[in-house]
Amino acid sequence: AQSVSQHNHHVILSEAASLELGCNYSYGGTVNLFWYVQYPGQHLQLLLKYFSGDPLVKGIKGFEAEFIKSKFSFNLRKPSVQWSDTAEYFCAVRPSGGGSYIPTFGRGTSLIVHP
Amino acid sequence: SQTIHQWPATLVQPVGSPLSLECTVEGTSNPNLYWYRQAAGRGLQLLFYSVGIGQISSEVPQNLSASRPQDRQFILSSKKLLLSDSGFYLCAWSVVLGTHTDTQYFGPGTRLTVL
Repeated sequence: AQSVSQHNHHVILSEAASLELGCNYSYGGTVNLFWYVQYPGQHLQLLLKYFSGDPLVKGIKGFEAEFIKSKFSFNLRKPSVQWSDTAEYFCAVRPSGGGSYIPTFGRGTSLIVHP
Repeated sequence: SQTIHQWPATLVQPVGSPLSLECTVEGTSNPNLYWYRQAAGRGLQLLFYSVGIGQISSEVPQNLSASRPQDRQFILSSKKLLLSDSGFYLCAWSVVLGTHTDTQYFGPGTRLTVL
């Protein structure tokens, strides 16, 4: 079975700082990868996803993530964070193909951005 | 467009009382449906998933159960709540595209407090 590790549980940044949230997974086959975001008081929503093709994925609100297969990683980045990026971020991985449809989620990273 | 509803939004129940949480999806047919529990710092724990009416798979043995009486309705139940059942319950849906399952989309969640 696959597993997902998000190394940073809590991240505190000032506005305009750069962000990188780590996500590593363990699974030997091909995978689909996701980042979800949960803003305070709001429901979990998709930030970006990788299924195939270009390993650098652009998402909403200026976020991007890079799939590095050799490192089993899918780190989330944003060059300049805003106060409104304060939220909880979840990485998820799912084996691709073969009818698999259950992703495994990481424990989440709480991001606080100070104005 | 597709939408997912959960109710109630919040619920306070005494220990030993029954539970019924409802999730409905609009704008899609034959979705895969999921129940998750989200605990602070522990990510999302998959409780149940369903690929069709009356088809329920349980991931975690506990005093909760799930049912899918209609194509777009998913219900989470308990006969007797425990204190440990307190948490944030999320419903999600996804669709199958050929042999490939698309992204999960989440509902607004139900905050359950068992006293």
